[in-house]
Amino acid sequence: RKEVEQDPGPFNVPEGATVAFNCTYSNSASQSFFWYRQDCRKEPKLLMSVYSSGNEDGRFTAQLNRASQYISLLIRDSKLSDSATYLCVVMNNNQGGKLIFGQGTELSVKP
Amino acid sequence: NAGVTQTPKFRVLKTGQSMTLLCAQDMNHEYMYWYRQDPGMGLRLIHYSVGEGTTAKGEVPDGYNVSRLKKQNFLLGLESAAPSQTSVYFCATHTGGLGTEAFFGQGTRLTVV
Repeated sequence: RKEVEQDPGPFNVPEGATVAFNCTYSNSASQSFFWYRQDCRKEPKLLMSVYSSGNEDGRFTAQLNRASQYISLLIRDSKLSDSATYLCVVMNNNQGGKLIFGQGTELSVKP
Repeated sequence: NAGVTQTPKFRVLKTGQSMTLLCAQDMNHEYMYWYRQDPGMGLRLIHYSVGEGTTAKGEVPDGYNVSRLKKQNFLLGLESAAPSQTSVYFCATHTGGLGTEAFFGQGTRLTVV
């Protein structure tokens, strides 16, 4: 079983739709959680860090459920420019600092 | 401010040749990582380092070696390249602190023929 698993894609949605991505992780000692965005095989860039209290940045909301070892990303009112691959990332800072990526979920927003 | 710089950006190797990929950072980060990315596979961790002089294996270390002789540089070596090592390679750096961002180089596209 992979340490970090994401919904298989692709997600094809119309502009204005709300879309949710899910991610699970297997290492209960994981301490830091992130969503990254990757465009056209360019380098990944941080979208948001994820905290137990949840966090929101404009149209994007991230949630962490430590008990279920589950992370989510919600995108509201999706734009054409949101089309990208979204990567769930988990880090265990106390166990050597491994930074592990999920396989990514591709989102395509259509007009 | 260069951030994270990978060299080379593109390379074509013949099977059996060797090469070294360089990752250089000017952010004074302790942690550095090498990943490979293949279609549908996400980024898979090859090796990583939590400080100068230290290295550790990741998920897919076979066929690769690394060195971190200086804090700012992390080298990835292929001693005898194989077609299965055709991939896009990304380097990343991190402070090691909780919840802090990892920064990436622009990637190296390697083709082994």
